[in-house]
Amino acid sequence: GDSVTQMEGPVTLSEEAFLTINCTYTATGYPSLFWYVQYPGEGLQLLLKATKADDKGSNKGFEATYRKETTSFHLEKGSVQVSDSAVYFCALSDYNQGGKLIFGQGTELSVKP
Amino acid sequence: DAGVIQSPRHEVTEMGQEVTLRCKPISGHDYLFWYRQTMMRGLELLIYFNNNVPIDDSGMPEDRFSAKMPNASFSTLKIQPSEPRDSAVYFCASSGVGTGELFFGEGSRLTVL
Repeated sequence: GDSVTQMEGPVTLSEEAFLTINCTYTATGYPSLFWYVQYPGEGLQLLLKATKADDKGSNKGFEATYRKETTSFHLEKGSVQVSDSAVYFCALSDYNQGGKLIFGQGTELSVKP
Repeated sequence: DAGVIQSPRHEVTEMGQEVTLRCKPISGHDYLFWYRQTMMRGLELLIYFNNNVPIDDSGMPEDRFSAKMPNASFSTLKIQPSEPRDSAVYFCASSGVGTGELFFGEGSRLTVL
């Protein structure tokens, strides 16, 4: 079945460092891809999405490009802030499976001042 | 809009007791999802509904778990009898068009002693 694999955390960075969180997927159809973020004590929030190959999703300085050839959707940010500390989840949604979201295991990011 | 509303936010109960978690989705959303989050297993999809009808309950752990959606504005997840291994954060989420853009509640943290 469909699945999502993320790089393991926790990831610890200094403020203003460059961030990459790797995400790869396996899907039989043509999924949409998502990054969700979970701040401590809260539910998940949509960060960005891409619905087809070569689409780039972006929000709040974060970017991810849908790479069909490498089945990847890596999350990047050029300069992280302390407020970016959270858990980041990569996910896919395949319309052929009713639109349900399949999540990766999450990557915890900690940004130090 | 008030967002997805879950109750209770925290529940502590003893093994063998019945637990009922409640969810009010965003008005107009026709998909509703129940997820469970634990450190060991990450985010697991338990069940989801479309227009109040259960579509996929393959993630429900066992017969002790049941979920209902009697109308478009209310859903329950029931565990009877509860066991310590059911301790987790249970999230409800809703979606307008089933494309993966889920809106999550703040979660119900369940502790079974």
